[in-house]
Amino acid sequence: QKEVEQNSGPLSVPEGAIASLNCTYSDRGSQSFFWYRQYSGKSPELIMSIYSNGDKEDGRFTAQLNKASQYVSLLIRDSQPSDSATYLCAVFTGANSKLTFGKGITLSVRP
Amino acid sequence: DAGVIQSPRHEVTEMGQEVTLRCKPISGHDYLFWYRQTMMRGLELLIYFNNNVPIDDSGMPEDRFSAKMPNASFSTLKIQPSEPRDSAVYFCASSLVEGEVGYTFGSGTRLTVV
Repeated sequence: QKEVEQNSGPLSVPEGAIASLNCTYSDRGSQSFFWYRQYSGKSPELIMSIYSNGDKEDGRFTAQLNKASQYVSLLIRDSQPSDSATYLCAVFTGANSKLTFGKGITLSVRP
Repeated sequence: DAGVIQSPRHEVTEMGQEVTLRCKPISGHDYLFWYRQTMMRGLELLIYFNNNVPIDDSGMPEDRFSAKMPNASFSTLKIQPSEPRDSAVYFCASSLVEGEVGYTFGSGTRLTVV
């Protein structure tokens, strides 16, 4: 089982819709969870971090964490064409001191 | 702060040549990471440093790869000899704290080995 898994996508949503991006992880000892956005040809950019169960909202973005199910998600409300990018889930496990990335899912928001 | 600075942005080299990638982390960040990104394997951690000391190099693919951090403001990743399968985007990232907060990535070096 891969350490951090994301649906391969791509995911296409219409402008104004809610985009839901999902991620599962294998190490129950994982402590910190991040979502990065990567535009084509650019470097990953941190957009959300979450450390405890529940929801964390920042503008149009909501990160959700369920440690019992080993599941992290990112919701993007009122999706805009500028949200079109690859979204990477990253999980930090203190045991091996590594930030491990999923392969990412490409989101396309069509006008 | 100018962020994490990497050079060169693009590198095209012939198989067998030595390649050196450079990175300047954000001032005050104690952790520096080298990642490689390919379509097939995604982002892979190659090696990371804490206070200029290599902590984990288990991701370095083979002896052809080496990394150094002679001081807090400079690191290099060297490939010698280079092979076509080394073609990828290499990112350097730095962080104030290990893992508890996100990393800041540089712009990356796109390496093509022909």
